[in-house]
Amino acid sequence: GQQLNQSPQSMFIQEGEDVSMNCTSSSIFNTWLWYKQDPGEGPVLLIALYKAGELTSNGRLTAQFGITRKDSFLNISASIPSDVGIYFCAGQEWNNNDMRFGAGTRLTVKP
Amino acid sequence: DVKVTQSSRYLVKRTGEKVFLECVQDMDHENMFWYRQDPGLGLRLIYFSYDVKMKEKGDIPEGYSVSREKKERFSLILESASTNQTSMYLCASSIGGAAGELFFGEGSRLTVL
Repeated sequence: GQQLNQSPQSMFIQEGEDVSMNCTSSSIFNTWLWYKQDPGEGPVLLIALYKAGELTSNGRLTAQFGITRKDSFLNISASIPSDVGIYFCAGQEWNNNDMRFGAGTRLTVKP
Repeated sequence: DVKVTQSSRYLVKRTGEKVFLECVQDMDHENMFWYRQDPGLGLRLIYFSYDVKMKEKGDIPEGYSVSREKKERFSLILESASTNQTSMYLCASSIGGAAGELFFGEGSRLTVL
């Protein structure tokens, strides 16, 4: 099955900096989700997007559902040390019921 | 809050052993999933289930089987564990209909020697 193309694979940033990551697909998706995974834990949902063009915020996090339905991005503003972890995008195609995941972006924040 | 509980956080098994990974959710979700997570490969779907006694193969079902005898419980079985099945296994559930938002357990890290 198709996996999503998520980039970058890893990021090393200074505390206070903004972060941007994105996911693309060759198929049209009707749902985009962004998850965060802390070390040794399961992924936790951050933001869910259901409509093309939708822009949704959750605190310092902002995510958008691309107009073409084939991409999504996640921004984190003013990063803090607890933002460290792996961020996954996930998407659901029109004609499939299961969820596809990106390979993840590993974020390191230096104090 | 949705709670997805995986029975074992860490397991060490020998090649050829039979391995059971149990997952229980407490929110009456219709859908349950088993994923495998490996560095650089993200989450890959092994099997999923939309109803009791129902199962569907995901992307990498070879070497695995599943059982869903009750709505709240979804088990992953490795009939004869191999070293290439050393991985983190994640169980997830979601409300009925389309997959929608997945709620994950904490994961089970399996090492096969």
